[in-house]
Amino acid sequence: GESVGLHLPTLSVQEGDNSIINCAYSNSASDYFIWYKQESGKGPQFIIDIRSNMDKRQGQRVTVLLNKTVKHLSLQIAATQPGDSAVYFCAENGSGGSYIPTFGRGTSLIVHP
Amino acid sequence: GAGVSQSPRYKVAKRGQDVALRCDPISGHVSLFWYQQALGQGPEFLTYFQNEAQLDKSGLPSDRFFAERPEGSVSTLKIQRTQQEDSAVYLCASSLDPTREQYFGPGTRLTVT
Repeated sequence: GESVGLHLPTLSVQEGDNSIINCAYSNSASDYFIWYKQESGKGPQFIIDIRSNMDKRQGQRVTVLLNKTVKHLSLQIAATQPGDSAVYFCAENGSGGSYIPTFGRGTSLIVHP
Repeated sequence: GAGVSQSPRYKVAKRGQDVALRCDPISGHVSLFWYQQALGQGPEFLTYFQNEAQLDKSGLPSDRFFAERPEGSVSTLKIQRTQQEDSAVYLCASSLDPTREQYFGPGTRLTVT
């Protein structure tokens, strides 16, 4: 999961497994959360978002869970594929429609064929 | 349609030189953001435009950094008298609405020698 430190947290999985990437956010007033995927040499790519009035949202092969009580966000990727290998960032927008997202450190997902 | 584009993709500058980084947002996107991303870190907010108005520049690290978007479309981030600590990837993102998901460009990797 996300952590503050010198080294990027890494999650290694086998192709076909489900992956869970975790993120702890800091602002209890944040009302909008986004997961981004960043491949090497590219900019972050939007995956899925969730607003604070929801606790779960599903997309294609991805699910985001939000636990506001403990300020925790997770991204679940079903049937992980080698193409899912990337760094995943969670981002939170502040309350009141704040437009400045705060990004976490990122988690590196490595999918082994 | 075309996504966000940035140029140049790579820039090497000698310390003390000025640089200008360009961003072409998605057509029709009123919101434009600049970020700085250090190796192994998440993007950090620099500045935000809504159309041609720079509404927030609180993330600019010093007065050597300047951004503009004179006609509400293309934006330029200028760094004067570059320093080694300016070495990073500079990302541009645009969105239809500042509180919604952002679409990122590939970034410009700046190396100051």
